[in-house]
Amino acid sequence: AQTVTQSQPEMSVQEAETVTLSCTYDTSESDYYLFWYKQPPSRQMILVIRQEAYKQQNATENRFSVNFQKAAKSFSLKISDSQLGDAAMYFCAYRSDAGGTSYGKLTFGQGTILTVHP
Amino acid sequence: DVKVTQSSRYLVKRTGEKVFLECVQDMDHENMFWYRQDPGLGLRLIYFSYDVKMKEKGDIPEGYSVSREKKERFSLILESASTNQTSMYLCATESGRVAKNIQYFGAGTRLSVL
Repeated sequence: AQTVTQSQPEMSVQEAETVTLSCTYDTSESDYYLFWYKQPPSRQMILVIRQEAYKQQNATENRFSVNFQKAAKSFSLKISDSQLGDAAMYFCAYRSDAGGTSYGKLTFGQGTILTVHP
Repeated sequence: DVKVTQSSRYLVKRTGEKVFLECVQDMDHENMFWYRQDPGLGLRLIYFSYDVKMKEKGDIPEGYSVSREKKERFSLILESASTNQTSMYLCATESGRVAKNIQYFGAGTRLSVL
């Protein structure tokens, strides 16, 4: 079974600074997707960024980028120029692309609470 | 925009009560999911459904059941609520059966069982 580990329960950053959230995963599969979701306080969880395992190029979305190291099974999220609105719980998630009974199940990490200081 | 609505933000129930958590989506998505979110454990999948009247067990189905009589509505049922079911419950939807698809979440229902 796949597992996803976020080893940082909490992180903090100063406004306008850069912060990196860590995520590692364990899988024996070669085809999969990785996601970072953001859950703001009392608000709906939304997708931040997505990475296809077959792509070597790291995904970027504006101030958000990932460092995807497939061999090391590492998928960290970098937030540049942090803003107060970035304060949230961030979840890393994995999903197999192998099809069959593995389809559909997102496996989430434990989450990292990010605090942004003004 | 996808809208996923969970009927209650906060719910307080007594041990032994039958509890219904409702989730409604307005985007005609085929797939719907129920997760439970607990501190230090992340989100864990309870049940999911790919179509009307279809359901499949997730990782922690014990003590729960689901119902999907209409495409837009997915209900989570606690037949006899227990204190260890106190948690945040999240509903999610997605379109189609493609691994890269994004899941869209409701705001969550925080359930307390006393």
